[in-house]
Amino acid sequence: EIVMTQSPAALSVSPGERATLSCRASQSVNSYLIWYQHKPGQAPRLLIYGASTRATGIPARFSGSGSGTEFTLTISSLQSEDFAIYYCQQYSSWPMYTFGQGTKLEIK
Amino acid sequence: VQLEESGGGLVQPGGSLRLSCTASGFTFSSYWMSWVRQAPGKGLEWVANIRQDGSQKNYVDSVKGRFTISRDNSKNTLYLQMNSLTAADTAVYYCARSSCSGDCYLGFHYWGHGTLVTVSS
Repeated sequence: EIVMTQSPAALSVSPGERATLSCRASQSVNSYLIWYQHKPGQAPRLLIYGASTRATGIPARFSGSGSGTEFTLTISSLQSEDFAIYYCQQYSSWPMYTFGQGTKLEIK
Repeated sequence: VQLEESGGGLVQPGGSLRLSCTASGFTFSSYWMSWVRQAPGKGLEWVANIRQDGSQKNYVDSVKGRFTISRDNSKNTLYLQMNSLTAADTAVYYCARSSCSGDCYLGFHYWGHGTLVTVSS
């Protein structure tokens, strides 16, 4: 099983600033990496697939990068609606998947 | 696209429960479908998926032999039969659909709102 590890577990950032979230795979997943945003009481929202491609309707302030085992989600100029939990997920082992444990992005 | 889960509730350890997910707004029989869960205070965990025609089913190790995923394409409905439940299975269970049809995966673009399963005596 491919283990996904996210860091940090929690991140405090002020509105308008940049947030950088990391995700590491226990073995190479090439670019088969997805990022989701999840708010309490809501369904998760797909942000990025293929490590760097934004899903339809996702604002340009969200960007993904990386390949192999190291990945980054960057949110430039944080908006109030961006404070949530972010998960990475690998699909290199399609049709089986694993998620990271999540990073909680909090308002500073 | 709409996905609506049902069937959650309180069940005793060792008990069984069957979840349903009714789909609408798309050609259900064209898509792999999955169940994903979130235990209280924990992250997301993919649980199981099933191919369009039901010919392939996959499970996370922790539920193998206890959970069975199935689908009825004539009813646009996905199921998860859960047996031998333990407290560790307590979670909100979501059904989810990939953004692309066929043997393709680019992430879960569509999710239901989830149904809560509580395993407790």
